[in-house]
Amino acid sequence: ELKVEQNPLFLSMQEGKNYTIYCNYSTTSDRLYWYRQDPGKSLESLFVLLSNGAVKQEGRLMASLDTKARLSTLHITAAVHDLSATYFCAVTRGGNQFYFGTGTSLTVIP
Amino acid sequence: NAGVTQTPKFQVLKTGQSMTLQCAQDMNHEYMSWYRQDPGMGLRLIHYSVGAGITDQGEVPNGYNVSRSTTEDFPLRLLSAAPSQTSVYFCASSYVWGTVTTPLHFGNGTRLTVT
Repeated sequence: ELKVEQNPLFLSMQEGKNYTIYCNYSTTSDRLYWYRQDPGKSLESLFVLLSNGAVKQEGRLMASLDTKARLSTLHITAAVHDLSATYFCAVTRGGNQFYFGTGTSLTVIP
Repeated sequence: NAGVTQTPKFQVLKTGQSMTLQCAQDMNHEYMSWYRQDPGMGLRLIHYSVGAGITDQGEVPNGYNVSRSTTEDFPLRLLSAAPSQTSVYFCASSYVWGTVTTPLHFGNGTRLTVT
Protein backbone atom coordinates (compact mmCIF):
# COMPACT_ATOMS: atom_id res chain seq x y z
CA GLU A 1 0.00 0.00 0.00
CA LEU A 2 1.35 3.40 -0.97
CA LYS A 3 1.50 5.85 1.93
CA VAL A 4 2.09 9.57 1.70
CA GLU A 5 3.15 11.53 4.75
CA GLN A 6 3.39 15.27 5.10
CA ASN A 7 4.95 17.30 7.83
CA PRO A 8 4.30 19.42 9.58
CA LEU A 9 0.53 18.98 9.80
CA PHE A 10 0.10 22.52 11.09
CA LEU A 11 2.36 25.46 10.43
CA SER A 12 2.04 28.96 11.78
CA MET A 13 4.57 31.41 10.45
CA GLN A 14 5.13 35.13 10.40
CA GLU A 15 4.95 37.16 7.26
CA GLY A 16 8.31 37.51 5.59
CA LYS A 17 9.71 34.24 6.91
CA ASN A 18 10.77 31.17 4.94
CA TYR A 19 9.67 27.63 5.58
CA THR A 20 9.54 24.18 3.98
CA ILE A 21 6.80 21.56 3.88
CA TYR A 22 7.92 17.96 3.43
CA CYS A 23 6.19 15.15 1.59
CA ASN A 24 7.45 11.57 1.89
CA TYR A 25 5.99 8.62 0.03
CA SER A 26 6.55 4.95 0.64
CA THR A 27 6.98 3.33 -2.78
CA THR A 28 7.98 4.24 -6.30
CA SER A 29 5.43 6.45 -7.98
CA ASP A 30 4.87 7.94 -11.44
CA ARG A 31 4.75 11.62 -10.61
CA LEU A 32 4.10 14.02 -7.75
CA TYR A 33 1.55 16.81 -7.48
CA TRP A 34 1.03 19.71 -5.11
CA TYR A 35 -2.42 21.17 -4.50
CA ARG A 36 -3.77 24.08 -2.50
CA GLN A 37 -7.09 24.19 -0.68
CA ASP A 38 -8.59 27.33 0.84
CA PRO A 39 -10.96 26.84 3.80
CA GLY A 40 -14.31 25.45 2.67
CA LYS A 41 -13.19 25.42 -0.95
CA SER A 42 -12.07 22.96 -3.55
CA LEU A 43 -8.50 21.99 -4.45
CA GLU A 44 -6.45 23.66 -7.14
CA SER A 45 -3.34 22.30 -8.78
CA LEU A 46 -0.05 24.08 -8.04
CA PHE A 47 2.73 21.91 -9.46
CA VAL A 48 3.40 18.65 -11.24
CA LEU A 49 6.85 17.13 -10.77
CA LEU A 50 7.78 14.53 -13.33
CA SER A 51 11.25 13.24 -12.60
CA ASN A 52 14.13 13.17 -10.17
CA GLY A 53 15.61 16.60 -9.58
CA ALA A 54 12.59 18.42 -10.98
CA VAL A 55 12.06 21.91 -9.63
CA LYS A 56 9.07 24.15 -10.27
CA GLN A 57 8.52 27.70 -9.04
CA GLU A 58 5.51 29.97 -8.98
CA GLY A 59 5.77 33.23 -7.12
CA ARG A 60 6.80 32.56 -3.51
CA LEU A 61 6.38 28.80 -3.81
CA MET A 62 9.00 26.38 -5.07
CA ALA A 63 8.56 22.60 -5.28
CA SER A 64 11.26 19.99 -5.79
CA LEU A 65 11.41 16.25 -6.13
CA ASP A 66 14.00 13.65 -5.06
CA THR A 67 12.75 10.29 -6.28
CA LYS A 68 15.65 8.38 -4.75
CA ALA A 69 14.73 9.66 -1.29
CA ARG A 70 11.00 9.54 -2.16
CA LEU A 71 10.77 13.11 -0.95
CA SER A 72 9.26 16.29 -2.26
CA THR A 73 9.51 19.70 -0.65
CA LEU A 74 7.39 22.81 -0.99
CA HIS A 75 9.43 25.84 -0.02
CA ILE A 76 7.77 29.10 0.92
CA THR A 77 9.81 32.26 0.54
CA ALA A 78 8.94 35.47 2.38
CA ALA A 79 5.47 34.31 3.30
CA VAL A 80 2.47 36.59 2.87
CA HIS A 81 -1.03 36.27 4.33
CA ASP A 82 -2.51 35.21 0.96
CA LEU A 83 -0.55 31.96 1.18
CA SER A 84 -2.61 30.82 4.19
CA ALA A 85 -4.27 27.57 3.06
CA THR A 86 -3.93 23.80 3.33
CA TYR A 87 -1.35 22.26 1.00
CA PHE A 88 -1.54 18.67 -0.15
CA CYS A 89 0.94 16.54 -2.00
CA ALA A 90 -0.24 13.55 -4.00
CA VAL A 91 1.46 10.78 -5.92
CA THR A 92 0.17 8.47 -8.61
CA ARG A 93 0.79 4.81 -9.13
CA GLY A 94 -0.12 3.08 -12.35
CA GLY A 95 -1.11 6.50 -13.68
CA ASN A 96 -4.66 6.31 -12.40
CA GLN A 97 -4.68 6.11 -8.63
CA PHE A 98 -3.89 9.26 -6.69
CA TYR A 99 -2.69 8.98 -3.11
CA PHE A 100 -2.88 12.18 -1.09
CA GLY A 101 -0.94 13.24 1.95
CA THR A 102 -2.74 14.35 5.10
CA GLY A 103 -2.22 18.01 4.25
CA THR A 104 -0.33 20.88 5.89
CA SER A 105 -2.45 23.69 7.25
CA LEU A 106 -0.49 26.90 6.84
CA THR A 107 -1.36 30.09 8.67
CA VAL A 108 0.66 33.21 7.91
CA ILE A 109 0.50 35.75 10.71
CA PRO A 110 0.95 39.45 9.96
CA ASN B 1 -16.75 26.36 -19.20
CA ALA B 2 -18.38 25.05 -16.03
CA GLY B 3 -15.54 22.58 -15.35
CA VAL B 4 -16.54 19.93 -12.80
CA THR B 5 -20.01 20.35 -11.34
CA GLN B 6 -21.15 18.51 -8.23
CA THR B 7 -24.63 18.38 -6.79
CA PRO B 8 -25.91 18.72 -4.16
CA LYS B 9 -23.60 20.97 -2.12
CA PHE B 10 -25.03 19.80 1.20
CA GLN B 11 -27.01 16.72 2.17
CA VAL B 12 -28.26 15.21 5.40
CA LEU B 13 -29.28 11.55 5.41
CA LYS B 14 -30.57 9.18 8.00
CA THR B 15 -28.82 5.88 8.56
CA GLY B 16 -29.96 3.35 5.97
CA GLN B 17 -31.12 5.86 3.39
CA SER B 18 -29.71 5.82 -0.11
CA MET B 19 -28.72 8.67 -2.35
CA THR B 20 -26.69 9.58 -5.42
CA LEU B 21 -24.08 12.30 -5.58
CA GLN B 22 -23.93 13.75 -9.05
CA CYS B 23 -20.77 14.75 -10.91
CA ALA B 24 -20.55 16.16 -14.41
CA GLN B 25 -17.64 17.61 -16.38
CA ASP B 26 -17.65 19.46 -19.68
CA MET B 27 -13.94 19.21 -20.51
CA ASN B 28 -14.12 15.85 -22.32
CA HIS B 29 -11.87 14.30 -19.68
CA GLU B 30 -11.45 10.54 -19.85
CA TYR B 31 -10.50 10.17 -16.19
CA MET B 32 -13.02 10.82 -13.42
CA SER B 33 -12.77 9.98 -9.75
CA TRP B 34 -14.40 10.33 -6.35
CA TYR B 35 -12.63 11.18 -3.10
CA ARG B 36 -13.71 11.64 0.46
CA GLN B 37 -12.01 14.15 2.71
CA ASP B 38 -11.94 13.57 6.43
CA PRO B 39 -10.10 15.65 9.03
CA GLY B 40 -6.50 14.54 9.48
CA MET B 41 -6.71 11.97 6.69
CA GLY B 42 -6.31 13.97 3.51
CA LEU B 43 -8.25 12.78 0.50
CA ARG B 44 -8.88 9.10 -0.09
CA LEU B 45 -9.83 7.63 -3.45
CA ILE B 46 -13.18 5.83 -3.51
CA HIS B 47 -13.68 4.86 -7.16
CA TYR B 48 -12.32 6.00 -10.48
CA SER B 49 -12.99 5.60 -14.18
CA VAL B 50 -10.75 5.93 -17.23
CA GLY B 51 -13.60 6.08 -19.72
CA ALA B 52 -17.24 5.28 -20.38
CA GLY B 53 -18.08 1.76 -19.26
CA ILE B 54 -14.85 1.37 -17.24
CA THR B 55 -14.70 1.76 -13.47
CA ASP B 56 -12.36 0.54 -10.76
CA GLN B 57 -12.03 0.63 -7.00
CA GLY B 58 -9.78 2.94 -5.06
CA GLU B 59 -8.61 2.84 -1.44
CA VAL B 60 -12.01 2.98 0.28
CA PRO B 61 -14.72 1.59 -2.04
CA ASN B 62 -16.91 -0.23 0.49
CA GLY B 63 -20.43 1.16 0.74
CA TYR B 64 -20.21 3.04 -2.55
CA ASN B 65 -21.13 2.19 -6.14
CA VAL B 66 -20.34 4.00 -9.36
CA SER B 67 -21.12 3.75 -13.04
CA ARG B 68 -19.88 5.60 -16.12
CA SER B 69 -22.39 5.47 -18.93
CA THR B 70 -21.18 8.69 -20.58
CA THR B 71 -17.89 10.58 -20.72
CA GLU B 72 -19.47 13.54 -18.93
CA ASP B 73 -21.13 11.94 -15.90
CA PHE B 74 -19.82 9.89 -13.00
CA PRO B 75 -22.42 9.49 -10.22
CA LEU B 76 -21.56 8.07 -6.79
CA ARG B 77 -24.23 5.99 -5.07
CA LEU B 78 -24.55 5.31 -1.38
CA LEU B 79 -26.78 2.26 -1.08
CA SER B 80 -27.36 2.31 2.68
CA ALA B 81 -25.83 5.32 4.37
CA ALA B 82 -23.89 4.91 7.61
CA PRO B 83 -22.60 7.56 10.04
CA SER B 84 -19.05 6.58 9.02
CA GLN B 85 -19.83 8.00 5.59
CA THR B 86 -20.21 11.49 6.98
CA SER B 87 -17.58 13.39 5.04
CA VAL B 88 -16.90 15.90 2.31
CA TYR B 89 -16.94 14.28 -1.12
CA PHE B 90 -15.01 15.60 -4.10
CA CYS B 91 -15.30 14.61 -7.71
CA ALA B 92 -12.27 15.22 -9.93
CA SER B 93 -11.40 14.71 -13.57
CA SER B 94 -8.39 14.92 -15.87
CA TYR B 95 -6.92 13.89 -19.19
CA VAL B 96 -5.11 10.61 -19.61
CA TRP B 97 -2.36 10.03 -22.17
CA GLY B 98 -1.26 6.43 -21.98
CA THR B 99 -0.42 5.83 -18.35
CA VAL B 100 0.01 9.52 -17.58
CA THR B 101 -2.71 11.42 -15.79
CA THR B 102 -2.64 15.21 -15.84
CA PRO B 103 -3.43 17.27 -12.70
CA LEU B 104 -6.93 16.77 -11.39
CA HIS B 105 -9.68 19.35 -11.79
CA PHE B 106 -11.88 19.26 -8.71
CA GLY B 107 -15.53 20.03 -8.18
CA ASN B 108 -16.66 22.20 -5.27
CA GLY B 109 -17.51 19.28 -3.05
CA THR B 110 -20.58 17.81 -1.38
CA ARG B 111 -20.81 17.94 2.41
CA LEU B 112 -22.71 14.85 3.56
CA THR B 113 -23.92 14.22 7.09
CA VAL B 114 -25.41 10.87 8.08
CA THR B 115 -27.33 10.85 11.35
